[in-house]
Amino acid sequence: GAGVSQSPSNKVTEKGKDVELRCDPISGHTALYWYRQSLGQGLEFLIYFQGNSAPDKSGLPSDRFSAERTGGSVSTLTIQRTQQEDSAVYLCASSLRQLGALRTQYFGPGTRLTVL
Amino acid sequence: AQSVTQPDIHITVSEGASLELRCNYSYGATPYLFWYVQSPGQGLQLLLKYFSGDTLVQGIKGFEAEFKRSQSSFNLRKPSVHWSDAAEYFCAVGTPNDYKLSFGAGTTVTVRA
Repeated sequence: GAGVSQSPSNKVTEKGKDVELRCDPISGHTALYWYRQSLGQGLEFLIYFQGNSAPDKSGLPSDRFSAERTGGSVSTLTIQRTQQEDSAVYLCASSLRQLGALRTQYFGPGTRLTVL
Repeated sequence: AQSVTQPDIHITVSEGASLELRCNYSYGATPYLFWYVQSPGQGLQLLLKYFSGDTLVQGIKGFEAEFKRSQSSFNLRKPSVHWSDAAEYFCAVGTPNDYKLSFGAGTTVTVRA
């Protein structure tokens, strides 16, 4: 079946502009995650959605970052007033429901964000 | 909190030679362990995972990894490397009570002809 898809694949924006990144999880996966991969650093967790539960936003680096998940499927990560340090690859992953056991996360191809 | 260390930033190996990538984790109990591969411009692809049971795990593309509790390690191996194995490899750890994966910094593998 189809994997996790993300759009756009590349985004170049000017400092101070807002951007929206989209993630389409694997059908049937109720858990969705966003990670950020910055140059020279590993992947860092940003946010986690599970069904209709309140998301875990503990990894969001600042209040300029927000995310929503509509209808329990597609998710949008929004970065307001972008800064150059926001330049990174933003990866989305999905998994089956986390229920007392860790589920395998499957990753999308990522969105490469460049802030000029 | 759990953490992962990949001691080797970059490894160069000849095509046909064996490959071993090191991964050490820090966690008080038995963790869930993963190896992912990322080709240039691509997302992360799961190579293999360890949750419990047999400590030698077989994955895709001819890779295997061995969980060694005494050494807190989960090293990835391949007996004979192909040019297409050139990529960045990430080890990750998760725990039963935390869905967030902690990733190592990655090891870049270069394959020379």
